[in-house]
Amino acid sequence: DQQVKQNSPSLSVQEGRISILNCDYTNSMFDYFLWYKKYPAEGPTFLISISSIKDKNEDGRFTVFLNKSAKHLSLHIVPSQPGDSAVYFCAASGSGTYKYIFGTGTRLKVLA
Amino acid sequence: GAVVSQHPSWVICKSGTSVKIECRSLDFQATTMFWYRQFPKQSLMLMATSNEGSKATYEQGVEKDKFLINHASLTLSTLTVTSAHPEDSSFYICSARDPGGRYEQYFGPGTRLTVT
Repeated sequence: DQQVKQNSPSLSVQEGRISILNCDYTNSMFDYFLWYKKYPAEGPTFLISISSIKDKNEDGRFTVFLNKSAKHLSLHIVPSQPGDSAVYFCAASGSGTYKYIFGTGTRLKVLA
Repeated sequence: GAVVSQHPSWVICKSGTSVKIECRSLDFQATTMFWYRQFPKQSLMLMATSNEGSKATYEQGVEKDKFLINHASLTLSTLTVTSAHPEDSSFYICSARDPGGRYEQYFGPGTRLTVT
């Protein structure tokens, strides 16, 4: 079963506008969530994370929102830039194991 | 800081041979490293957790005799794919846990394995 899902396989956004990437999870034991950016044939790069005790975390152009009751998190990128074009993975971790369960990924394309 | 390297970046081998992939934390000590594999256009699937000085913990469905993991030092973990078959062809990525003890993992650049 897929415990972490990203239902949109792809997303196109105009440069300068907001990109919103969504992620849903099923396991209520997850207590830490992360977003990674990945280019083809490269390892993922950490972007931003959030603990389950918070509902928002912001770092520059990136903001992650967590809705625990809905088991949903989202990544907002404002303003979007062409260099943001990549595949974005959300990941969940829990119970102190430090293991990640990755979502299926969303390919973001920012159009100039 | 927190740089993780992998070697080789790509490798082609014949069926039946074994291939070793190295994962190194370059500027920090990593007591815990992780190995993932990624099939084209799919997610990263955790294969095993590698702890320095002890046996690796494998995820369900991963054959420990086929994917040998050794974490002999605080900066090096190796994954050996034994008796490789074409279905083992994949992108293998390692990561190391943040040395500050947080949840963040730092990923290597990955190794593309092709078995012919």
